[in-house]
Amino acid sequence: KAGVTQTPRYLIKTRGQQVTLSCSPISGHRSVSWYQQTPGQGLQFLFEYFSETQRNKGNFPGRFSGRQFSNSRSEMNVSTLELGDSALYLCASSWGTLQTEAFFGQGTRLTVV
Amino acid sequence: AQTVTQSQPEMSVQEAETVTLSCTYDTSESNYYLFWYKQPPSRQMILVIRQEAYKQQNATENRFSVNFQKAAKSFSLKISDSQLGDTAMYFCAFQGDQTGANNLFFGTGTRLTVIP
Repeated sequence: KAGVTQTPRYLIKTRGQQVTLSCSPISGHRSVSWYQQTPGQGLQFLFEYFSETQRNKGNFPGRFSGRQFSNSRSEMNVSTLELGDSALYLCASSWGTLQTEAFFGQGTRLTVV
Repeated sequence: AQTVTQSQPEMSVQEAETVTLSCTYDTSESNYYLFWYKQPPSRQMILVIRQEAYKQQNATENRFSVNFQKAAKSFSLKISDSQLGDTAMYFCAFQGDQTGANNLFFGTGTRLTVIP
């Protein structure tokens, strides 16, 4: 059974640019969540998508957005990149109910220069 | 709002010994789950153990067990017979019925080093 796949693994972007990260969940999982991990702020929840709808949202500016497709694959977009957006972005997939386990991908390391 | 606190930034333990990692949390929710995740240098978050708040019995998974004190809002992880492969960052996490499924609140982590 394939795990959660995040692409790309590494990314370097320039301040002001935009970036799109991709997450393919485990087959059958309908929920995809995104997290930002930085040394200073730790792991912070960005948003969760379930059946193509944003179900929960963390406290991040509108520059951070996402979407989910009918096959449950999800993309996260960050516009007008800032140096502080440099982080490891983790995606987690689950069946989407409270009792079920979330499985994480290996993350995308984004560096903004 | 939910908060998760891990007060031990770093810990070390001799191989084959036992170590306990601490975690406290704060919430007003009545139905929730608590987790310990491990993040090795490969960066992949791996679920170690989870505890349902409505269960009084402490969860156990092979060498890993928890001490869940609901009234004290404490959720510590005990690792027995520590192995070199246990070296990693360990994160305590909370998931509540009201805050939503697949929406985890994480502590700041404890870096565990197992010494040969």
